[in-house]
Parts: sequence; structure tokens; C-alpha cells
Amino acid sequence: DAGVIQSPRHEVTEMGQEVTLRCKPISGHDYLFWYRQTMMRGLELLIYFNNNVPIDDSGMPEDRFSAKMPNASFSTLKIQPSEPRDSAVYFCASSLGAGKSTDTQYFGPGTRLTVL
Amino acid sequence: SQQGEEDPQALSIQEGENATMNCSYKTSINNLQWYRQNSGRGLVHLILIRSNEREKHSGRLRVTLDTSKKSSSLLITASRAADTASYFCATDSTLTFGKGTMLLVSP
Repeated sequence: DAGVIQSPRHEVTEMGQEVTLRCKPISGHDYLFWYRQTMMRGLELLIYFNNNVPIDDSGMPEDRFSAKMPNASFSTLKIQPSEPRDSAVYFCASSLGAGKSTDTQYFGPGTRLTVL
Repeated sequence: SQQGEEDPQALSIQEGENATMNCSYKTSINNLQWYRQNSGRGLVHLILIRSNEREKHSGRLRVTLDTSKKSSSLLITASRAADTASYFCATDSTLTFGKGTMLLVSP
């Protein structure tokens, strides 16, 4: 398996533009997680899905952020409109399970977003 | 959420020395995991220890867990320059992470 795939790897955009980050989880994994990492705040869980259904989106910073998982092999994280403070590395991760039988999370390489 | 907090924030050692980093958490757990992140990369799982285990080994890694103190430690023995990375712990189902321990191993 190719692992978790994220695209693009780097994104530079201007304030106010819409940004869409993409993730393809490992085939067969039921859980998908979106994280944001900055020096100031560390690694923050934004949202996670189980079987394509959003389970916990309490980490989504505000309404400008939205995430979808239309099928088991694809998820998007959208920021509209983007702001300079959204600049960060965004990671997608997937796992076979979570909860009482927590499974290992497999992380993608991340998307480095810069909002000018 | 059950967030793991790593300590120290940064650690600098020489090759061949042992590195110990700690993790504290707040509530009861089922297991605790340690991850490593090389600069510019995603996190990579290292080892998982269950709440009924006290110690676990994997190669040069040794993890301990003290549920009474709500703490865990990760020991890397005979460190190498390639061990230079940030190390994170995570607990519970949603695997929230702390800010990590940045380990620098000098040749």
C-alpha cells in the first residue's frame, strides 16, 4: 500500500482565497483524521471520520473550515476564505480502529499551507 | 480530551548516550502510544503500551507506564544521530497529542 496520500504537498495562496486540501487514506481503514500543526499550538486534531461520517469536529477552528468524506477513499479539508493565521502544516491520518481498541494512526506527509 | 504532555520540550545529547522523555496525561486510559516525527514529515508510530502493561521493549526503545501517576516514559538506548526528531505521546481514542519533545543527537 502507498500509505496515506495528501495533495498538494505545498500550497501558497493569498488571503481570502479558497483552499482545498485532499487526502486518500489507506485502503480498508475506517477512521480518518485531519490535524493542523504549528509551532505555537503544536499538533491539533481538527476533525475525524468513522466510515465516512464526521464523528467529532470540535477542533475545527471556525466556520471557515469544512471537511467532507464523500467515500471511503477520499476526504477534503476546505478553508474559505483563507487567512494568514491558517498557515500551518495540515496532516491527514487513517487507522483501522479507534476507541477502546485504539489502533495505530498512519500519517500522510502533510500539506504545508502558506497564506500571504 | 485526554491530551498527552511531553517533557522535556527539548533534549540534546551525544551519540551513544541514552535519551529519556516523559509523558503525562490527565485521565484514565486504555493505552498510550509514542510517535516520532522527523523534520518536515508526518508522525510515525513507534510503540503502544496497554494500561495493564508496565513496560514494553522494541529494539532500542523501552517504554514504561505508571497508571497510578498517569505518566509514561520513553527511553532510547545507545542513541544515534538518526534518532534526531520530535517525539510525541498520545492517549485514548482520538489520539490527541502534546507539543512533543525535540531530541537532538549530535555525532
